[in-house]
Amino acid sequence: EVQVLESGGDLVHPGGSLRLSCAASGFTFSNYAMTWVRQAPGKGLEWVSSISGGGGKEHYADSVKGRFTISRDNSNNTLFLQMNSLRADDTAVYFCAKDRSVLTGYHYDYWGQGTLVTVSS
Amino acid sequence: EIVLTQSPGTLSLSPGERATLSCRASQSISSLGWYQHKPGQAPRLLIYNTSFRTNGTPERFSGSGSGTDFSLTISRVEPEDFAVYYCHQCKSPPYTFGQGTTLEIK
Repeated sequence: EVQVLESGGDLVHPGGSLRLSCAASGFTFSNYAMTWVRQAPGKGLEWVSSISGGGGKEHYADSVKGRFTISRDNSNNTLFLQMNSLRADDTAVYFCAKDRSVLTGYHYDYWGQGTLVTVSS
Repeated sequence: EIVLTQSPGTLSLSPGERATLSCRASQSISSLGWYQHKPGQAPRLLIYNTSFRTNGTPERFSGSGSGTDFSLTISRVEPEDFAVYYCHQCKSPPYTFGQGTTLEIK
């Protein structure tokens, strides 16, 4: 059974850093791109970042470019999102999702339940 | 950045009625997908490549469109279909979602 499980969400001060993790199981992790999507309170879904299966290709939303870094450890089936210079508008539930292909851009067929990041003083 | 505009914002229907949700792109795109999202749950992929249902997407859901205009149709709405629906393009980074259409019970 395919599963993705996010962790690492927390309350952090503006300007602070946080690293989210997503543990994957039930599929050959390196064969699939992975993606982070977030949802701010009362708002819609916002795509954040995607990474190809081998890790060689990354894409970012303009709102996080230069502050967030996506990475993956294919040996341990884990996806990461390093978030620096956090702002109040980064407050959201962050979802990890498995792509349908090793390449990015083919939609996300399995999602986790999300982890909450709150940026507040 | 490609902007996706969904309409209507809210659609109020009774079970058994037909639902048509629209998604307009700010520039021509090759395809898009549709996701269903219920409160407290993970989003669910319904349609990819404009018109292909995932395994497990009921046949009452269908997608169509091309260029800048796309739609998701539910032939007869079931009680479990009331949710928020998002269109999403992931062919041209940065990838983007529409703002969502809420399908609510009338």
